[in-house]
Amino acid sequence: GENVEQHPSTLSVQEGDSAVIKCTYSDSASNYFPWYKQELGKRPQLIIDIRSNVGEKKDQRIAVTLNKTAKHFSLHITETQPEDSAVYFCAARKSSASKIIFGSGTRLSIRP
Amino acid sequence: EAQVTQNPRYLITVTGKKLTVTCSQNMNHEYMSWYRQDPGLGLRQIYYSMNVEVTDKGDVPEGYKVSRKEKRNFPLILESPSPNQTSLYFCASSPTPATNEKLFFGSGTQLSVL
Repeated sequence: GENVEQHPSTLSVQEGDSAVIKCTYSDSASNYFPWYKQELGKRPQLIIDIRSNVGEKKDQRIAVTLNKTAKHFSLHITETQPEDSAVYFCAARKSSASKIIFGSGTRLSIRP
Repeated sequence: EAQVTQNPRYLITVTGKKLTVTCSQNMNHEYMSWYRQDPGLGLRQIYYSMNVEVTDKGDVPEGYKVSRKEKRNFPLILESPSPNQTSLYFCASSPTPATNEKLFFGSGTQLSVL
C-alpha cells in the first residue's frame, strides 16, 4: 500500500524567511497530493493541492512542487508570517483508491 | 452554513464503558471517514464510508465500529474503550469518493480513556 514520509517533523524559521516541507510517497500510481494546515486546537484545512499532470502550483505565498520520477513533493512558503505557525500535513491518493494517506506532520514555528 | 459537526468535543471515560462519537454533515456528501491523530503519527484512517450502508476498514480499525444508516450521519462506536484509544479523533467528508476532492473536517473530539 501507499506510504507517505514527511520531513522535517519540526521546523523553526525567522519571520520573513522561507519554509520548505518535503514528502515522499511510495505508490507510483498516486496522482493527487493535497496539503493540510492545522492551527493549534483547530481542524485540518486544505491549503493547496496538486495533481500529477502538473509540476508546480502557486497560490500567493504558497507553492507546491511535484517530482513524479523521484516520487516526492514539497510545500514552499515564502515571506513567512506569524499566522503560518501550524502543523502541516502532506497526503497522497490515487484515483482508484478510496482513502488518502497522510504524512506524519510538520510543526512549523515562525520566530518574530 | 456547510459544516461537519462532531460531538462531544471532549470526552473522558473509563476502560470498558461503551461510547459513541457522533458525526453529521449537511453538505449531502457521499464520502465520510474517521481519523485518529496521535503525536508523530499524523492522521490515520479508522473507517470510511463510500455511501449509505457501505463502510470499510481503514488502517487502524481494531476496537472501533461504525454505521452509515443515513447519508448525513457517521457515528464512531467504541464498544469497550481501552487506554490506547486515547487520542484526538476527526470525522471528515467529501462530495464523492471517486474524485480527488478536499476533505472537510469536523472540529475534533479529544478522547481520554482512563
